[in-house]
Amino acid sequence: DVVMTQSPLSLPVTLGQPASISCRSSQSLVDSGGVTYLNWFRQRPGQSPRRLIYKVSNRDSGVPDRFSGSGSGTDFTLKISRVEAEDVGVYYCMQGTHWPRAFGPGTRVDIK
Amino acid sequence: EVQLVESGGGLVQPGGTLRLSCAASGFIFNNYWMTWVRQAPGKGLEWVASINPDGSEKYYVDSVKGRITISRDNAQSSLYLQMNSLRVDDSAVYYCTRGTWGPATWGQGTLVTVSS
Repeated sequence: DVVMTQSPLSLPVTLGQPASISCRSSQSLVDSGGVTYLNWFRQRPGQSPRRLIYKVSNRDSGVPDRFSGSGSGTDFTLKISRVEAEDVGVYYCMQGTHWPRAFGPGTRVDIK
Repeated sequence: EVQLVESGGGLVQPGGTLRLSCAASGFIFNNYWMTWVRQAPGKGLEWVASINPDGSEKYYVDSVKGRITISRDNAQSSLYLQMNSLRVDDSAVYYCTRGTWGPATWGQGTLVTVSS
């Protein structure tokens, strides 16, 4: 089974400053058709998760352009160019290439 | 508006049975894979099971195989999770989601508590 890891697990950030979360998979997430199903979700306290990024770098509708995803193969990154107060929450990466699907352990982002 | 509404959660004793339901609306249900994801109290997200549009393919996380069954009724636009032989570590909020390779839509979740 594919194992997803994230670092850091806790990320205190300063408002207006950039933030970056790393996600690694134990196997390549490129499928037989050349598509990489790596997604990023955010879960705010008391809310259901929301997908932010799909297939490595595609922002979902309504997601601010300060969020960006990058990476390939087994190494991926979520970047927030300038952190705002509403960005607080837990961020999860998830692989959708292999069965069983798997989420990373989550990175808690809060304001310093 | 795309909407997923879960129901059926509650308190059950270890070894007991529960059936979760998810009512879908706002999209053509039988065009989509559907997935259950769970989250134990204070913990991270765990993918549980997915089912293809016509119900002929089902996939499960190893920890629930043989105990939990995902199913769907396309005529009713409904997704189900039949949970048998429940264990304390099955306690979680169970989310119904649309899609499988990267669920884009999530319900509000239903809480399952397994305790004596």
